Amino acid sequence: DTAVSQTPKYLVTQMGNDKSIKCEQNLGHDTMYWYKQDSKKFLKIMFSYNNKELIINETVPNRFSPKSPDKAHLNLHINSLELGDSAVYFCASSQDWKNTEAFFGQGTRLTVV
Amino acid sequence: AQSVTQLDSQVPVFEEAPVELRCNYSSSVSVYLFWYVQYPNQGLQLLLKYLSGSTLVESINGFEAEFNKSQTSFHLRKPSVHISDTAEYFCAVSSNTDKLIFGTGTRLQVFP
Repeated sequence: DTAVSQTPKYLVTQMGNDKSIKCEQNLGHDTMYWYKQDSKKFLKIMFSYNNKELIINETVPNRFSPKSPDKAHLNLHINSLELGDSAVYFCASSQDWKNTEAFFGQGTRLTVV
Repeated sequence: AQSVTQLDSQVPVFEEAPVELRCNYSSSVSVYLFWYVQYPNQGLQLLLKYLSGSTLVESINGFEAEFNKSQTSFHLRKPSVHISDTAEYFCAVSSNTDKLIFGTGTRLQVFP
């Protein structure tokens, strides 16, 4: 069973489109995250939710909007995609917001053309 | 605020040679320290972690790291690497009051 699963794995889209990435965890964790990994492999946190409540919102364009319908799901919607949004997006979860250990999904490679 | 620095962006080594990947952190509070590994086209996997207690922690595949509070370091070592260890390695730090922060990663390339 996959602990943290995200779909799709690959996403190729044109500039200006709107797209969503879905994430689900079956670990019973309270906290979920979205990270962005750029072409140089640098990992940066974007958002974190604890029990469906937003607790971390880094400096991210408001074109990015996370949604957590329940604590097992954290989706990422991106409006008006730009070339610079091309990256690998990772979903992760941890037991609580204190980050003792994070479990990562396989990533979604987003390519904006 | 806390931070983590990985001094080496790439470390090339030959198979069966020892390796050390360096990690230094900065924090004003007690920290939790982690090493994650990312194999090509995959997500990150936890390799080992220091939360408290013994300062030397080990992974199941032969890696070890030592928490050195005086030098604020958490270097990753392996006495003999394999081709399959080729991957990107990320050091990370968190605490009871701060989110998990990753270093910029070190690419370990093992050559036959």
